[in-house]
Amino acid sequence: DAKTTQPTSMDCAEGRAANLPCNHSTISGNEYVYWYRQIHSQGPQYIIHGLKNNETNEMASLIITEDRKSSTLILPHATLRDTAVYYCIVRVFGDYKLSFGAGTTVTVRA
Amino acid sequence: DAGVIQSPRHEVTEMGQEVTLRCKPISGHNSLFWYRQTMMRGLELLIYFNNNVPIDDSGMPEDRFSAKMPNASFSTLKIQPSEPRDSAVYFCASSLEGGMNTEAFFGQGTRLTVV
Repeated sequence: DAKTTQPTSMDCAEGRAANLPCNHSTISGNEYVYWYRQIHSQGPQYIIHGLKNNETNEMASLIITEDRKSSTLILPHATLRDTAVYYCIVRVFGDYKLSFGAGTTVTVRA
Repeated sequence: DAGVIQSPRHEVTEMGQEVTLRCKPISGHNSLFWYRQTMMRGLELLIYFNNNVPIDDSGMPEDRFSAKMPNASFSTLKIQPSEPRDSAVYFCASSLEGGMNTEAFFGQGTRLTVV
């Protein structure tokens, strides 16, 4: 029972912004949107999370639509090291479980 | 901080043998998770400890799998006897307070191959 829908793969050019979409049309009011990524042969790495306001940190920005049914992760200046599988996860506040789907395989090309 | 440390990084064993995977969480974290990743099933939560106590082991596939956390700085995941279908990458992760509104930090994983 997938709570999020992401494209299977996408390419982006090095130095350009990468915009990763995620649909979560059944999200509840107490559920957060989390993003993790997994670089090849490494463990998943936390990127960012948010409830309803846009969020920004040193890695990325998270834009959540007003109805909260979708969001976009933005990598402002993609580098080759950003090539990874990106997971969008919906998670109830207070829940310890991270349910990883298939994610989006992002390939950054020189 | 060295992050979550897992050992060994790679393990190759014969079917029927006992396998023990080890994890050292980040100091100060009180929650520990074991995940398994396969091509077919992706990342799955096996077990969750909070303050060294197993809280949720519903993801443990069968009795051949067991996990312990004898203290706040060490956990093991044991498979006995191992089978080829146990071949996967096993990740350990730690966090503060179950990761509620905080992030989970993952180790580099142990790639297990059972032949």
